[in-house]
Amino acid sequence: GESVGLHLPTLSVQEGDNSIINCAYSNSASDYFIWYKQESGKGPQFIIDIRSNMDKRQGQRVTVLLNKTVKHLSLQIAATQPGDSAVYFCAENRGYSTLTFGKGTMLLVSP
Amino acid sequence: GAVVSQHPSRVICKSGTSVKIECRSLDFQATTMFWYRQFPKQSLMLMATSNEGSKATYEQGVEKDKFLINHASLTLSTLTVTSAHPEDSSFYICSARTGEGNTIYFGEGSWLTVV
Repeated sequence: GESVGLHLPTLSVQEGDNSIINCAYSNSASDYFIWYKQESGKGPQFIIDIRSNMDKRQGQRVTVLLNKTVKHLSLQIAATQPGDSAVYFCAENRGYSTLTFGKGTMLLVSP
Repeated sequence: GAVVSQHPSRVICKSGTSVKIECRSLDFQATTMFWYRQFPKQSLMLMATSNEGSKATYEQGVEKDKFLINHASLTLSTLTVTSAHPEDSSFYICSARTGEGNTIYFGEGSWLTVV
């Protein structure tokens, strides 16, 4: 289930389940969105991106959905594995401006 | 994929001294690099945007005289924390934007501990 910790919300799933991580973005003018995975003590790792002219994009085991009407972004991870345990951040960008990061969600995968 | 390297990955310095962190794009030219700071269990906070050959643009609340940024070439940006204090201890992360596709890649981060 999902819970809110001191700073980061946490999503706990069983290995093999599908995970859905949600993100609400703030700027309706944002036209580029990225999901990053950050493991403990490491820098963010690019997972998948999507531009505002699309509403869905698929990668390997991951799918990003974009709903511009409600300014919502989600990351779906199929067949979640223990190695997927990390903090996931969404980021929004407009043109060539800087990235604005969301607060992040910690994903915990139990064997 | 594109690789961004940071050095050092961990550094301990004495209070009052200065420490430099390097950020390099290894296989692409980065006209823009970004420096972030991250506290435990929190999101990344943008400190400054660094453009090659020009002065960095600092975010509100970030002291430019304390956090010196130099973007001397298309593959290297440095962050120098001057007169470091224990409250400057943090995880510092750089990122670099590729010229094509506007993709941004991150370095592995540098842990700074000021004692």
